[in-house]
Amino acid sequence: LAKTTQPISMDSYEGQEVNITCSHNNIATNDYITWYQQFPSQGPRFIIQGYKTKVTNEVASLFIPADRKSSTLSLPRVSLSDTAVYYCLVGDGGQNFVFGPGTRLSVLP
Amino acid sequence: NAGVTQTPKFQVLKTGQSMTLQCAQDMNHNSMYWYRQDPGMGLRLIYYSASEGTTDKGEVPNGYNVSRLNKREFSLRLESAAPSQTSVYFCASSPGQGAPYEQYFGPGTRLTVT
Repeated sequence: LAKTTQPISMDSYEGQEVNITCSHNNIATNDYITWYQQFPSQGPRFIIQGYKTKVTNEVASLFIPADRKSSTLSLPRVSLSDTAVYYCLVGDGGQNFVFGPGTRLSVLP
Repeated sequence: NAGVTQTPKFQVLKTGQSMTLQCAQDMNHNSMYWYRQDPGMGLRLIYYSASEGTTDKGEVPNGYNVSRLNKREFSLRLESAAPSQTSVYFCASSPGQGAPYEQYFGPGTRLTVT
């Protein structure tokens, strides 16, 4: 199982860009990298997924270098409502889909 | 379209009691999952069902049993509850097993075992 390492917590101010990095040194060839967001008392919600290079959707971008040993979730111009825990997952499915410890992002006014 | 629903939302059990957590999805997904989340921790996979009729153990299966009743429903049973099973339980579903399929989560069941 590819183990992931993320910062435990981060602080940011409204309107700033936030970058959260996840390390996954032993990622396997078939593994995808997926990020989820979780608000208190709610289930996680899918944000973005990628395999290599860069992926962008309406809420975030995901940067994956060529060696795929890390990935960076980028949230543009965060607001107070982006305060949540962000999880990095690496795996190819089933029991290999392991949630990392998560990064607690606090957005300050 | 309700997505993933879980019942009950809250439950308090005494040590040794049994109960079943119910989960249903209306998205015609093939795969379903049960996770537990302890305070301040990430989610850990208990059991999953890649497709109707199959179930497999996840990271922390001890003390639990599951049933994939049909394509829509996936239940989790605690036969003899222990205080260590106090947690929030999340059910999820996805069109296929694992990546690259997005998992959709239910609202969770908060279980306390005294």
